[in-house]
Amino acid sequence: AQSVTQLDSQVPVFEEAPVELRCNYSSSVSVYLFWYVQYPNQGLQLLLKYLSGSTLVKGINGFEAEFKKSETSFHLTKPSAHMSDAAEYFCAVRGGKLIFGQGTELSVKP
Amino acid sequence: AAGVIQSPRHLIKEKRETATLKCYPIPRHDTVYWYQQGPGQDPQFLISFYEKMQSDKGSIPDRFSAQQFSDYHSELNMSSLELGDSALYFCASADGGIGVGDNEQFFGPGTRLTVL
Repeated sequence: AQSVTQLDSQVPVFEEAPVELRCNYSSSVSVYLFWYVQYPNQGLQLLLKYLSGSTLVKGINGFEAEFKKSETSFHLTKPSAHMSDAAEYFCAVRGGKLIFGQGTELSVKP
Repeated sequence: AAGVIQSPRHLIKEKRETATLKCYPIPRHDTVYWYQQGPGQDPQFLISFYEKMQSDKGSIPDRFSAQQFSDYHSELNMSSLELGDSALYFCASADGGIGVGDNEQFFGPGTRLTVL
C-alpha cells in the first residue's frame, strides 16, 4: 500500500526566507511523486513531479524537490519565499490514482 | 491549450436530493479520475475510468455512481445527498492506461457542492 505523510500542517515564513515543506512516502512499488499547489477556492496545479532519472526535480515558481530513496522523502524547497507563494501544498504518490498527503498551509509574512 | 472542464462550478442542493457532476477531459485523454475534497481536507480518490470502463474504485459511497461515455466525458451521480457530501469535487484526466507512471493527471477547477 502507498501512503504520504506531510509532516507539518502549517509552515509560516517571512518574505524572502527559505521554504521547506516536508513529505515522506511509503510505497512497495515504483514511486512516482508529485507536489501540487492549491490557491484558495481554486483547483490543483502541478508544481513538479518525480518519475525517474535525476533525483533533484525543478518545478514552476522556483520550487524544487529532491527524491531521497534512503530517507523515503520528497521535500519541497524554495530559496526565497514570495507573498504569492501563500497557498496549500499537497504531496502525492501515484500508482494509478493519486494518494495525497494531508496538506501543508504555507503562509508568508512581510 | 484546452483544459479539463467541469460543470457546474457551483451547486447547491438540499438533503436527500440528487446531483450530477460532469467532467470533460482534455481532448484525446481516455482516462478520468474523480476526487472529493472536504473542507480543510486532502483530496480523496473516488473512482476512475479508462476507455469507458471503471478501472479503480476508492472511498466512493454506494449512493454515488459514475460512468464514462463514448466521447470520454464522465458524470458523477450522487443520490440521497447528505450534509457530509458538501465538498469540492475534482475531475482529472490523463492520456494512457491506468498504472502507467508517466501519464500525468490534469485537474479541472472542481465543482463545489453545498448540501443544505
